Amino acid sequence: GEDVEQSLFLSVREGDSSVINCTYTDSSSTYLYWYKQEPGAGLQLLTYIFSNMDMKQDQRLTVLLNKKDKHLSLRIADTQTGDSAIYFCAESLSGAGSYQLTFGKGTKLSVIP
Amino acid sequence: DAGVIQSPRHEVTEMGQEVTLRCKPISGHDYLFWYRQTMMRGLELLIYFNNNVPIDDSGMPEDRFSAKMPNASFSTLKIQPSEPRDSAVYFCASSLGTGERYEQYFGPGTRLTVT
Repeated sequence: GEDVEQSLFLSVREGDSSVINCTYTDSSSTYLYWYKQEPGAGLQLLTYIFSNMDMKQDQRLTVLLNKKDKHLSLRIADTQTGDSAIYFCAESLSGAGSYQLTFGKGTKLSVIP
Repeated sequence: DAGVIQSPRHEVTEMGQEVTLRCKPISGHDYLFWYRQTMMRGLELLIYFNNNVPIDDSGMPEDRFSAKMPNASFSTLKIQPSEPRDSAVYFCASSLGTGERYEQYFGPGTRLTVT
């Protein structure tokens, strides 16, 4: 079945880069997503990447996709204390008209001042 | 737009009581999803609707759980009777039914505690 895996915790110092990794199983996923969840809030879409792309950059965020290894990463440059949150990787299920997403368990990013 | 609205934000109830969670999706979104989030199991999809019709309810844990979407702007998730193991944060999300990006917009969640 579909499964998205992430490490549960990451701790970095303010100003350093953070790299959050994710592996997924559905090789026919069309889009892959990164969501951010701040304490007491719902998930917010941070960025996404189409499966025919290798990289996408959006300000401090860089998404890298290795389709061969089914590996997705999110790099946050110049990490700030406001980046402390849980980050979820998600893949869209294959199949026409399928609107379900499969989420990983989330990586809790702690930024040390 | 106000985004996805959920109510109540917090609910504390005793075991055996009926609990009803409410959701108003973003106007114009054709898909509505109910999720449950716990530390142990992460984010689980319970059920989703397309144009008010339930499409996949295979994630609904037991017959004690039921969900309805009487119109395009309102959905409920009901637990009857509730049990302590139902304690979790329940999220509602909605998405557009066109295009391929499928991104979902989440509400703030309802934190349910069953004692």
